[in-house]
Amino acid sequence: DAKTTQPTSMDCAEGRAANLPCNHSTISGNEYVYWYRQIHSQGPQYIIHGLKNNETNEMASLIITEDRKSSTLILPHATLRDTAVYYCIVRSNAGNMLTFGGGTRLMVKP
Amino acid sequence: NAGVTQTPKFQVLKTGQSMTLQCAQDMNHEYMSWYRQDPGMGLRLIHYSVGAGITDQGEVPNGYNVSRSTTEDFPLRLLSAAPSQTSVYFCASRPREANTEAFFGQGTRLTVV
Repeated sequence: DAKTTQPTSMDCAEGRAANLPCNHSTISGNEYVYWYRQIHSQGPQYIIHGLKNNETNEMASLIITEDRKSSTLILPHATLRDTAVYYCIVRSNAGNMLTFGGGTRLMVKP
Repeated sequence: NAGVTQTPKFQVLKTGQSMTLQCAQDMNHEYMSWYRQDPGMGLRLIHYSVGAGITDQGEVPNGYNVSRSTTEDFPLRLLSAAPSQTSVYFCASRPREANTEAFFGQGTRLTVV
């Protein structure tokens, strides 16, 4: 599975959009981009995933560049409860398990 | 549905003791896995299973054994606990079908003294 690069930490003001970037320049054609988050040492929670089209669900939006070498997770109106570590993971359908990097520590401030 | 249930939530062991961390899921998922997370780090894969009777090693398997006798349960055994195994352990499951999300338990915080 391709490796990902994320900023170590980011801040966001409450009520503003949080845009979390992820680089995956070695991604191959059959690999999906997954996002999970981990709130204060709880188990990771699935957010969203996509292949090449932009995706949106009740939690977030995922924007994948046309060359698929990077993506951005968007939390449209961040709340204090969105403070967490966000992991960007690239996995193929044949890949059995998830490979976690260090993630981005998002701090949402009042 | 309870999802993925891990027991115990907390455990303190002495060096050399053995114990089993329990993981059960009620979603009929074929794939199950164990991760460990050290302070300030991401999760690292210990062992995983793609179905009953099938297990395989992940990134950091040494010192741990697993078995998968049923679809629901995937216990992790520490054979002889060492301080280096002090960590938070997470169990996860997902369906066999591709393009699906994984569900995680709430973790077991293990301290080896």
